Amino acid sequence: EAQVTQNPRYLITVTGKKLTVTCSQNMNHEYMSWYRQDPGLGLRQIYYSMNVEVTDKGDVPEGYKVSRKEKRNFPLILESPSPNQTSLYFCASKTNRRGTEAFFGQGTRLTVV
Amino acid sequence: DQQVKQNSPSLSVQEGRISILNCDYTNSMFDYFLWYKKYPAEGPTFLISISSIKDKNEDGRFTVFLNKSAKHLSLHIVPSQPGDSAVYFCAASGGTGANSKLTFGKGITLSVRP
Repeated sequence: EAQVTQNPRYLITVTGKKLTVTCSQNMNHEYMSWYRQDPGLGLRQIYYSMNVEVTDKGDVPEGYKVSRKEKRNFPLILESPSPNQTSLYFCASKTNRRGTEAFFGQGTRLTVV
Repeated sequence: DQQVKQNSPSLSVQEGRISILNCDYTNSMFDYFLWYKKYPAEGPTFLISISSIKDKNEDGRFTVFLNKSAKHLSLHIVPSQPGDSAVYFCAASGGTGANSKLTFGKGITLSVRP
């Protein structure tokens, strides 16, 4: 089954404690991306990757890091989480062809206290 | 600057009637437009798309209309069903060096009343 898998689904952490949210896709997609969803703000892109070892900032990259060492994985790293990073996070993947749809993971609900 | 705008945060319609969800964009370089549907506690799922060379695309109960001169698109759902109650995101892609990137609007919450 084609899917994007995120882990964990739910996470409560404390300010400053480094964490990683994993994302893996099994569709051999070149493009992967992280979004955060906040009330009234919709889906905002954090980082994206066009292919292995190619990453770039999205609209709200501050406080986040990513890496793309393998095609299937695109982890999101919060080196020093803060309460304003409490949000619902989604990973997505797609091909690099124009107009193709993105497939989303189930989401990770992160709470930073 | 918000490039994809969904100005109405919510819409409520009666079951069996038409739902019309609107979306405006500012970047004339966008050449593909997509609609996503999102239920609570799930990731967004693709619904329907349209290329900028077309003005209409239909898939069952869902039709998307594109008015390039007005930089406006709309999603029509006919007839609306209670299971259509969800958040709908409009997204756009295209532009120089950004073929893959999707830019999303803020979403519209659709409620279909039985």
